[in-house]
Amino acid sequence: QQQVKQSPQSLIVQKGGISIINCAYENTAFDYFPWYQQFPGKGPALLIAIRPDVSEKKEGRFTISFNKSAKQFSLHIMDSQPGDSATYFCAASRETSGSRLTFGEGTQLTVNP
Amino acid sequence: KAGVTQTPRYLIKTRGQQVTLSCSPISGHRSVSWYQQTPGQGLQFLFEYFSETQRNKGNFPGRFSGRQFSNSRSEMNVSTLELGDSALYLCASSWGGATRQYFGPGTRLTVT
Repeated sequence: QQQVKQSPQSLIVQKGGISIINCAYENTAFDYFPWYQQFPGKGPALLIAIRPDVSEKKEGRFTISFNKSAKQFSLHIMDSQPGDSATYFCAASRETSGSRLTFGEGTQLTVNP
Repeated sequence: KAGVTQTPRYLIKTRGQQVTLSCSPISGHRSVSWYQQTPGQGLQFLFEYFSETQRNKGNFPGRFSGRQFSNSRSEMNVSTLELGDSALYLCASSWGGATRQYFGPGTRLTVT
């Protein structure tokens, strides 16, 4: 059973534009929501993360928006750059599950110059 | 500080064989988790080891097993390989929870 659903599957954005990737989760016990960025031939790299007691977190050009009542969270990439072209994964975990992460399906982002 | 390292990076095996993959976590990290990444199934959790004990296990058959040594290095073993086991196997390490979990570059396993 897929507990974290991610959309869109692919996204094409112009340089300087805003990239938005959405995720929805089912398990209300989840209490940690990270986003990972993966380049071809590399492992996923932690980008930014949020806990459900916060509605928004910003780090540089990356912002997570979190809606606890809707069980949704999203990643916004402001001023998107060609170097941001990668696959992005949302994930979720709960404290009682140790280090286990449940991942979304991934979004392939292409930023055109 | 060195990152998570995985060896080997690439591996080609034949159906029915077995394989052992190795993961060295970031120094000081006690938790090592393993994930399988495929185009069809995405990133799937295999299992987690913490202080040499398996703490969590995903929904994979018993052919997939692992262990962790006293220095936190971990190995995973897949016996009786099937074509469907072809995947990128990733390990990730952390101090003990999901927070700030760092991934290695992965081992690309191809089963022919």
